[in-house]
Amino acid sequence: QSALTQPASVSGSPGQSITISCTGTSSDVGGYKYVSWYQQHPGKVPKLILYDVSNRPSGISNRFSGSKSGNTASLTISGLQAEDEADYYCSSYTSSSARVFGTGTKVTVL
Amino acid sequence: QVQLQESGPGLVRPSQTLSLSCTVSGGSISGSTYYWSWIRQPPGEGLEWIGHIHQSGSTFYSPSLKSRVLISVDTSENQFSLKVTSVTAADTAVYYCVRSSGAFSNWFDPWGQGTLVTVSS
Repeated sequence: QSALTQPASVSGSPGQSITISCTGTSSDVGGYKYVSWYQQHPGKVPKLILYDVSNRPSGISNRFSGSKSGNTASLTISGLQAEDEADYYCSSYTSSSARVFGTGTKVTVL
Repeated sequence: QVQLQESGPGLVRPSQTLSLSCTVSGGSISGSTYYWSWIRQPPGEGLEWIGHIHQSGSTFYSPSLKSRVLISVDTSENQFSLKVTSVTAADTAVYYCVRSSGAFSNWFDPWGQGTLVTVSS
């Protein structure tokens, strides 16, 4: 099972919107609505920010939104803030019932 | 609220077996529909799903690790455990125990604080 493909880095200025892609195949991202996203600050534990493509857990800002088209899922952060600077990972259910993570994206707030 | 805490040796010799336990508090493994997962993260690298177990004892492992991994559960102690055999330096990582969604979803929450396991002689 290969890792899902994410851009290594994405940057934006405060207040802007950025989008992180997560590309897989029809056997994972494209085949199911079971994509989740995690935020990880340096030295910290990953934190669930979206599940089932676009659902936010309680307490997660509505500046985080998700979508999916074909084999690619996307995380959009709107109104970018300094606190959003972190690593972001996607995860998908797969046709073999395994779970797989993305390669990770470092978000920099300029 | 549910909390998870990993425990186990921080140093393992090459070719030996890595053994970790995860204690769940604030909730019971028994009778839940959740899976209980292990995920690892090598220093400076990304996340890798290792596998999960249901309270019934049913397990599922990453195909890439399946031959070396065993996850077990002790519902009486509200714990689940991980064993990785024949370790090499490539198994050096922070190991997280995590509660994960049941069959018809895919999410991981909450996470334990993680424990660094170094494979070195």
